[in-house]
Amino acid sequence: DAAVTQKPRYLIKMKGQEAEMKCIPEKGHTAVFWYQQKQSKELKFLIYFQNQQPLDQIDMVKERFSAVCPSSSLCSLGIRTCEAEDSALYLCSSSQFRLGGAETLYFGSGTRLTVL
Amino acid sequence: GDSVTQTEGQVALSEEDFLTIHCNYSASGYPTLFWYVQYPGEGPQLLFRASRDKEKGSSRGFEATYDKGTTSFHLRKASVQESDSAVYYCALSFGGSNAKLTFGKGTKLSVKS
Repeated sequence: DAAVTQKPRYLIKMKGQEAEMKCIPEKGHTAVFWYQQKQSKELKFLIYFQNQQPLDQIDMVKERFSAVCPSSSLCSLGIRTCEAEDSALYLCSSSQFRLGGAETLYFGSGTRLTVL
Repeated sequence: GDSVTQTEGQVALSEEDFLTIHCNYSASGYPTLFWYVQYPGEGPQLLFRASRDKEKGSSRGFEATYDKGTTSFHLRKASVQESDSAVYYCALSFGGSNAKLTFGKGTKLSVKS
C-alpha cells in the first residue's frame, strides 16, 4: 500500500466548478510534488513544495490552480474553475530532502478528476 | 530544459522474451536516473535508480547501467513474465531546489503467456 495517501479517489465536477484534492505525505518527508497524468501515460510536473513552501511550479498552476501545504502532514491542490482539459489523474508524491543529491519520490494512487 | 526520451511507446512480448526499453536523456549537469513502473490503478513506484557513470541499478530481474558518454539508461530484462505487464518510465532528477522528477513519455509493456 502507498505510504502517500490521496483523497478523494474519484472526483466529478461540472465545467466551471471548483475542485479540491488532498494529499497526506509519507511521515517524515518534507518535499511534496504534484503531477498530472492524462490518458494513463505522460506525467506532467505541476508544483513542488519544500517544508510547506512552493519552490517550483509551472505557469498553468500559477494561473488556474491553488496549491498549499498548511502543515507537514497535509497538502491540497485546487482548481479554481474546472475545464474539460483538466480531466486527468492527479498524483501526489513525497520525498525526504537532501542537499547533495536526488531523493526517490514516493507516489500515492492519485485522484481521478472528471470534468463534465 | 532537461528532457528524457523513451523510444518505444508500446512493446508487446511473449513470456520468456528479452526486453529492452531505450532511454536517453538531455541535461545540463549530472542527474540521478530512475526507472519507475506503474500498474493500473496505482501511482508509479520506484524500480531502481543510479547516480554515477557506469553504476548499475537492478531490481526484480530488471537492470540498467548509467552511461554518461551516450547519455543513456536502457532498461533490460532477460526473461519477461506476464506479471511484468505495466507502464515503465525513465526519469531524471538533480535534487535540492531542482528535486522534481522529469519523466519520459512512458513505455507500455504487454506480455502474453
